Amino acid sequence: GQQLNQSPQSMFIQEGEDVSMNCTSSSIFNTWLWYKQDPGEGPVLLIALYKAGELTSNGRLTAQFGITRKDSFLNISASIPSDVGIYFCAGRADSSYKLIFGSGTRLLVRP
Amino acid sequence: EPEVTQTPSHQVTQMGQEVILRCVPISNHLYFYWYRQILGQKVEFLVSFYNNEISEKSEIFDDQFSVERPDGSNFTLKIRSTKLEDSAMYFCASQPRQGRGNQPQHFGDGTRLSIL
Repeated sequence: GQQLNQSPQSMFIQEGEDVSMNCTSSSIFNTWLWYKQDPGEGPVLLIALYKAGELTSNGRLTAQFGITRKDSFLNISASIPSDVGIYFCAGRADSSYKLIFGSGTRLLVRP
Repeated sequence: EPEVTQTPSHQVTQMGQEVILRCVPISNHLYFYWYRQILGQKVEFLVSFYNNEISEKSEIFDDQFSVERPDGSNFTLKIRSTKLEDSAMYFCASQPRQGRGNQPQHFGDGTRLSIL
């Protein structure tokens, strides 16, 4: 079945540093979403991308929908302690309702 | 901001018992979903529901699972005879519409299901 490869698996960075994570797929998606999950809570939407090449920002977060429609990245600039959590990419293919999730990137920020 | 709400937050059930997980989607949304997340793993799709019927389901969603929208607000997931491997976080999600101008799925905070 369709799978997303998300990397890195985890990151431990210093407060103020920039962070980059990405997802790749062997198949084409028409939607890429980035979610953040805190312990004991559900995924919270950060950024939604619907068009190949689209670059979208939400505060310190920037995400891009790859031109090939098989990848996406998320950048976080000037990280702060509350950025700690697990970040998931999710993709949706044409003619399907479901989201396929990546395995997550666990972000730890050292004050 | 409108939210997807799920109850209970934690359900402990004996193996073999039936369990019903409840969700109240965002009120003007048309598409409803259940996902699960086994501890430490990624979120997996179970089923999607639109216009009072299942529109898509995964291999996980076997005959032991069923969904229902009994009234205009609730969306439920029933597991008929629970197994140990059903222990997971179950997330409900809802979405306004599909097609061009797609809208994202919004998730609830989940129900932690523990099977003993």
